[in-house]
Amino acid sequence: DTAVSQTPKYLVTQMGNDKSIKCEQNLGHDTMYWYKQDSKKFLKIMFSYNNKELIINETVPNRFSPKSPDKAHLNLHINSLELGDSAVYFCASSQTQGDTQYFGPGTRLTVL
Amino acid sequence: EDQVTQSPEALRLQEGESSSLNCSYTVSGLRGLFWYRQDPGKGPEFLFTLYSAGEEKEKERLKATLTKKESFLHITAPKPEDSATYLCAVRGGTSYGKLTFGQGTILTVHP
Repeated sequence: DTAVSQTPKYLVTQMGNDKSIKCEQNLGHDTMYWYKQDSKKFLKIMFSYNNKELIINETVPNRFSPKSPDKAHLNLHINSLELGDSAVYFCASSQTQGDTQYFGPGTRLTVL
Repeated sequence: EDQVTQSPEALRLQEGESSSLNCSYTVSGLRGLFWYRQDPGKGPEFLFTLYSAGEEKEKERLKATLTKKESFLHITAPKPEDSATYLCAVRGGTSYGKLTFGQGTILTVHP
């Protein structure tokens, strides 16, 4: 009965490739988020969707594009991967925009 | 811009040795201060939400308190299983739900 799940858990790829990370929540929440955790463990918001509508779009390169096919899913597509994209990416969800956020297990992306 | 600073960066305790972690913040219109626990290789696990100065919440050996400028996470008689990184985050009034995190405190409890 996983609440917020992400696939894959690990992703190793070459510079220049395009990759996607998928996120699903079975909590019935309206709002979903993508965070990036760098090597110093700082968690920074990237995007947020509320009822499939983009509501937070932080200063993130255009190579990153979120897509929400429905309320339960929020995917992250990354084009032309760069070395600096290596990090752990976390998906989270909350009942509404202001409620407690619950995080997925993370996807460790390594760009070689 | 909302800011969160946690101290110390790392804390080593002996089992049973109580201590506190600090989270200092600046935010425009606090809409919640959140504490999470993160184990290596896992996602942050929610612990507490505090909304107003003077509020306190407890869970097992953990107690979170809030003032207008900072929050403390008190750990009473810690056990080795309390070892983790503890993250503090704030949500401001115009953030649309965005959380601003501190860098975390790595807690190690030795048996």
